[in-house]
Amino acid sequence: GQNIDQPTEMTATEGAIVQINCTYQTSGFNGLFWYQQHAGEAPTFLSYNVLDGLEEKGRFSSFLSRSIGYSYLLLKELQMKDSASYLCAVVDSNYQLIWGAGTKLIIKP
Amino acid sequence: DGGITQSPKYLFRKEGQNVTLSCEQNLNHDAMYWYRQDPGQGLRLIYYSQIVNDFQKGDIAEGYSVSREKKESFPLTVTSAQKNPTAFYLCASSTSTDRVVNTQYFGPGTRLTVL
Repeated sequence: GQNIDQPTEMTATEGAIVQINCTYQTSGFNGLFWYQQHAGEAPTFLSYNVLDGLEEKGRFSSFLSRSIGYSYLLLKELQMKDSASYLCAVVDSNYQLIWGAGTKLIIKP
Repeated sequence: DGGITQSPKYLFRKEGQNVTLSCEQNLNHDAMYWYRQDPGQGLRLIYYSQIVNDFQKGDIAEGYSVSREKKESFPLTVTSAQKNPTAFYLCASSTSTDRVVNTQYFGPGTRLTVL
């Protein structure tokens, strides 16, 4: 079967750095998305990786290693507004999105 | 402003009643999707449509129905046959879905509670 694993919840301190991991086992791979979702709101697009390596976009970076089915989202200089759930989703061989359950990130002052 | 709208934000219905959730987009996207989100689970695909007058079942289509009469609109009906309809429903759209990866953009969601 297809499986996406992320930690359920993480806590970090304002101003610090946090890394949210995502591991996957899917039938085929055509890329991996990260979305941010504040409670009760729409998921919003953060990043898309299809090749191995690190992609940096401001305070957020996303890393992919296809050989081990692994990605992480790195958030630097954490702000209170970063408190949200972070969703990992893999595009499978049928170009369908397979979603992880999301990681709820709690930022403390 | 371009975007996706869903209405209403909150919806309450009695058990046994059908209910239709609205989704409209003015992004000129060809593809539209309906997802269901439950606590502790990933988004699950209910139905998707790649073009007007055509749609396909997703992973959990039982108890739901859709129509795609206009490019901009993709309403979802939750029927009385859906055993656990209480959930957060998200609509999304993208430029295409035919063997190409495109970013999906989401509406604000409708929280349906069946009493």
